[in-house]
Amino acid sequence: GENVEQHPSTLSVQEGDSAVIKCTYSDSASNYFPWYKQELGKGPQLIIDIRSNVGEKKDQRIAVTLNKTAKHFSLHITETQPEDSAVYFCASYSGGGADGLTFGKGTHLIIQP
Amino acid sequence: EADIYQTPRYLVIGTGKKITLECSQTMGHDKMYWYQQDPGMELHLIHYSYGVNSTEKGDLSSESTVSRIRTEHFPLTLESARPSHTSQYLCASRAQGATEAFFGQGTRLTVV
Repeated sequence: GENVEQHPSTLSVQEGDSAVIKCTYSDSASNYFPWYKQELGKGPQLIIDIRSNVGEKKDQRIAVTLNKTAKHFSLHITETQPEDSAVYFCASYSGGGADGLTFGKGTHLIIQP
Repeated sequence: EADIYQTPRYLVIGTGKKITLECSQTMGHDKMYWYQQDPGMELHLIHYSYGVNSTEKGDLSSESTVSRIRTEHFPLTLESARPSHTSQYLCASRAQGATEAFFGQGTRLTVV
């Protein structure tokens, strides 16, 4: 089955700096890669996603890049703000298996003032 | 804001008690899921359903059971709670053929 590795598990950056979270996947059939943000006391919420036919996607301060050959994808947050502090999950979707959606273990992003 | 709701948000219960965690969604989604989230944040799929009368076990073995009698409702039951069941439980739903999953706010269960 699919295996998604996510790094780092904790990331601390100064407010205003950039943050990068990286994920690798194993199933070459995976074709959809979402990123979820979980704020304290809430459930995860989709913030950005990318499909396998696209190499990069941006939405204001966040961007996701995908390298299908290397089977890795990354989340980039620029000009970080205190409200960016949260747990971020990457995931891959292969359409098969029990659910089709496999999550990484999560990254706790801390924005230092 | 997603239309998926979990109750209760927090629950402290004694060992041996039977509990049911409620999850309801008003989006008409066929697929529903239960995840157990450990203190290290990782999400473990414990149950899922493709629709009414469909229930399947997920990747992580769980002593809990689920039912899906109505599309909008996917309750999770523990017949006899134990301290090892202490965790955060997250419910999610997804439309058939769609890729985005919508999560509820979670139930934080503590068994003492």
